[in-house]
Amino acid sequence: SQKIEQNSEALNIQEGKTATLTCNYTNYSPAYLQWYRQDPGRGPVFLLLIRENEKEKRKERLKVTFDTTLKQSLFHITASQPADSATYLCALAVNTNAGKSTFGDGTTLTVKP
Amino acid sequence: DGGITQSPKYLFRKEGQNVTLSCEQNLNHDAMYWYRQDPGQGLRLIYYSQIVNDFQKGDIAEGYSVSREKKESFPLTVTSAQKNPTAFYLCASSRTAGFGYTFGSGTRLTVV
Repeated sequence: SQKIEQNSEALNIQEGKTATLTCNYTNYSPAYLQWYRQDPGRGPVFLLLIRENEKEKRKERLKVTFDTTLKQSLFHITASQPADSATYLCALAVNTNAGKSTFGDGTTLTVKP
Repeated sequence: DGGITQSPKYLFRKEGQNVTLSCEQNLNHDAMYWYRQDPGQGLRLIYYSQIVNDFQKGDIAEGYSVSREKKESFPLTVTSAQKNPTAFYLCASSRTAGFGYTFGSGTRLTVV
């Protein structure tokens, strides 16, 4: 069956370190993958989208990699800050035309001062 | 500013009632989506629409209905057939397929 797994429910790191979040999938052939940030009681906010033919995308302190052989995406936040504390969701879309995405359960990141 | 507006923010439903959640966007996006989120879980797709007057069922459509009569609007009705409707409902839109979503702020529905 199709499955999306994000690494451990919670990740705690020290301010200034790099946070690395993992999104693994099975039985999917995604056309593209997205990362979102969600704060408690709020809707998710779109961060980055990476397509199947792209290896890496960057935006300010954020970096996403996409390895279709390993069936894995890594999401990095460099020089992390307490304000980066939130839940991060990955989402896969298997069909560029359909547009619908399937979400993982999320990883809650806490950055301690 | 462009965005998506969901209303109401909180909604209470009695057993056996139908309720409708509103979702309006002024982003001129073609595609709109409804997701449900339960505590500690990811989002599950209820319905989606890529164009006016057309929509498709998602993974958990039973007990829900939608309409897409205008590009800007995609209301969701939670019917009495939905046995466990208490959840956080999120509406989203995207320019078209292949682009990231813009989400609304959500409606928290509770059955009383």
